[in-house]
Amino acid sequence: NAGVTQTPKFQVLKTGQSMTLQCAQDMNHEYMSWYRQDPGMGLRLIHYSVGAGITDQGEVPNGYNVSRSTTEDFPLRLLSAAPSQTSVYFCASRRGTSYEQYFGPGTRLTVT
Amino acid sequence: QQQVKQSPQSLIVQKGGISIINCAYENTAFDYFPWYQQFPGKGPALLIAIRPDVSEKKEGRFTISFNKSAKQFSLHIMDSQPGDSATYFCAASSRGATNKLIFGTGTLLAVQP
Repeated sequence: NAGVTQTPKFQVLKTGQSMTLQCAQDMNHEYMSWYRQDPGMGLRLIHYSVGAGITDQGEVPNGYNVSRSTTEDFPLRLLSAAPSQTSVYFCASRRGTSYEQYFGPGTRLTVT
Repeated sequence: QQQVKQSPQSLIVQKGGISIINCAYENTAFDYFPWYQQFPGKGPALLIAIRPDVSEKKEGRFTISFNKSAKQFSLHIMDSQPGDSATYFCAASSRGATNKLIFGTGTLLAVQP
């Protein structure tokens, strides 16, 4: 059981570039979500999905897109990177009937 | 708006002492209150959680105290150890399919040997 995996671990982008952060889980969890972590602000929810084909916005969705074509994968797309998107991004998953979320190791993104 | 307020922002405790981190919430629909522990370079991991039908939950050296009327809950770490040095996040969630977790801003705990 690998749990929640994220790639890449580190990424540097130039303003305006696009990229996809990958997230996968092997626990057959229905619910997956993306958070960003910034100093002094805790973890803020970007987007979440309650199952394959179903996604919704969280607290800070602007500038990000998601899709959920399979139960296992939940990629996060940055359409046109901005310095304000410099952050550490965490993917998380849980069973639909459970409150407990399992987090991945994170992706540290720097936008210059 | 910040629905879960956490304090202090940072905390220094001597080895063997008690670490106390406090959180307050606004939404009375919240019915699950977890604490997450995060070590540098790692993702947060669930430490301990409580439901509002009990006032205290203890797991080893970690205790959550819950005050429903005051809408506050706290984490107590007894006999704090240098290995407890980490960032701690409180969070809250309400029942339902979306079940979104709302996090506090985090407390950086340093336990000095």
